Amino acid sequence: GQQLNQSPQSMFIQEGEDVSMNCTSSSIFNTWLWYKQDPGEGPVLLIALYKAGELTSNGRLTAQFGITRKDSFLNISASIPSDVGIYFCAGQTGANNLFFGTGTRLTVIP
Amino acid sequence: GAGVSQSPSNKVTEKGKDVELRCDPISGHTALYWYRQSLGQGLEFLIYFQGNSAPDKSGLPSDRFSAERTGGSVSTLTIQRTQQEDSAVYLCASSLDITTNEKLFFGSGTQLSVL
Repeated sequence: GQQLNQSPQSMFIQEGEDVSMNCTSSSIFNTWLWYKQDPGEGPVLLIALYKAGELTSNGRLTAQFGITRKDSFLNISASIPSDVGIYFCAGQTGANNLFFGTGTRLTVIP
Repeated sequence: GAGVSQSPSNKVTEKGKDVELRCDPISGHTALYWYRQSLGQGLEFLIYFQGNSAPDKSGLPSDRFSAERTGGSVSTLTIQRTQQEDSAVYLCASSLDITTNEKLFFGSGTQLSVL
């Protein structure tokens, strides 16, 4: 399958700090998605991006679809303890599949 | 149902035994996916069902893995002659149809441990 490189692999931050993570690929994607996975649960969609250059916000979350269509970033502002979890990027090429990154494990220290 | 339901939530088995994992998608969702998540890894695509079309099995790692979807609803993932490297969380997801497949709803997964 296609490889998505996600960084950083893990982050330890203080509550209130901003967070930035990104995802890069050697392939072009038509859609970029960001998911969050809480412990013992399946991933939940946070933000979907459909157009190169698109910048989309969802509360304290902001994500951008890179101009080259090969990358995306996710920012979380003013982190809170419930932001803890694993964040996955995913890219979609054709009609029937998503390719997931390896995840960024976020720990928020109160 | 209200969400994607998977069972069992945990399964411990001995090497060489067969296991069956079950997924109940959201009612009305025609697309169903199986993913595998190994410890510290991303989600690895296994197989995809869309309506009555032939499934996309391109992600199945070996012929020990198979899946079926009866009546366009419930799906079963079967792993024969399990190996220790099969230990992982197996996640099922569904979406309304192929055109909205990016809007996947995931179940909580089955944690499989092969001893």
